[in-house]
Amino acid sequence: GENVEQHPSTLSVQEGDSAVIKCTYSDSASNYFPWYKQELGKRPQLIIDIRSNVGEKKDQRIAVTLNKTAKHFSLHITETQPEDSAVYFCAAPLRRTGNQFYFGTGTSLTVIP
Amino acid sequence: KAGVTQTPRYLIKTRGQQVTLSCSPISGHRSVSWYQQTPGQGLQFLFEYFSETQRNKGNFPGRFSGRQFSNSRSEMNVSTLELGDSALYLCASRTTSSYEQYFGPGTRLTVT
Repeated sequence: GENVEQHPSTLSVQEGDSAVIKCTYSDSASNYFPWYKQELGKRPQLIIDIRSNVGEKKDQRIAVTLNKTAKHFSLHITETQPEDSAVYFCAAPLRRTGNQFYFGTGTSLTVIP
Repeated sequence: KAGVTQTPRYLIKTRGQQVTLSCSPISGHRSVSWYQQTPGQGLQFLFEYFSETQRNKGNFPGRFSGRQFSNSRSEMNVSTLELGDSALYLCASRTTSSYEQYFGPGTRLTVT
C-alpha cells in the first residue's frame, strides 16, 4: 500500500557518535523527501529535505541521502549532541493523490552524554 | 514572518460534543494541511485546503470536516466526538510553489 516505513523506532547513541535513520517509500513518482525533528511538547520542525534529482544533501552535522532505485532515503547525524535528542519523522508525497504527504512512524533518538 | 498559529492550544471535551479548531498560516501561504498525531498512529493526514477548496482528504470519517477562508485561515471541525479522537491536531502551511511545510504548535484535544 501507500506508506512510508521508518526504522528504527528508537535509537540510543553516545554523545559524539553518529546516528542513522532510514525510510522507505512506495510511490516511485515521489520527488520530495523532508525530515522533521519534534522535541517533546513542540511542533515538528523541518530540518532538511532532498529532491529526487540529487542523491545527497548536507547541512552542517546533518545529511540526507536518497536512493531512488531502492526507494529509500536516510538521515545521518554526525557528532551527535544531547540537544539532538528528539523524535525524527520522514515523509514523502503520494503523487497520484495530489501530493498528500505520508509520514513515517517516527524515531525516538536519545543522545547519552 | 510570524509562524503558523493554532487556537486553542488545549481543549477538553466530552463524548458526543463537537469541536472547532483554528489555524492561521504564515503570511503568503495559501495551502493549509491538517494532521492528527497520536502515539500509536503517528502523523495522519486529514485534509488539505488551497484557495478555499479542499484538495485532498485522508482516510477519516465524515465527522471530520474543514474549511478555508479567503484570508487562508482554516478551521477543522469534529462532530460527535469519540474517545479515540483524543490527539494532537497539527496544521501546516506552505506556498503553492513549494513542498516545504511549516507546522503550527498544535491543539491538544482530550475527549472524556
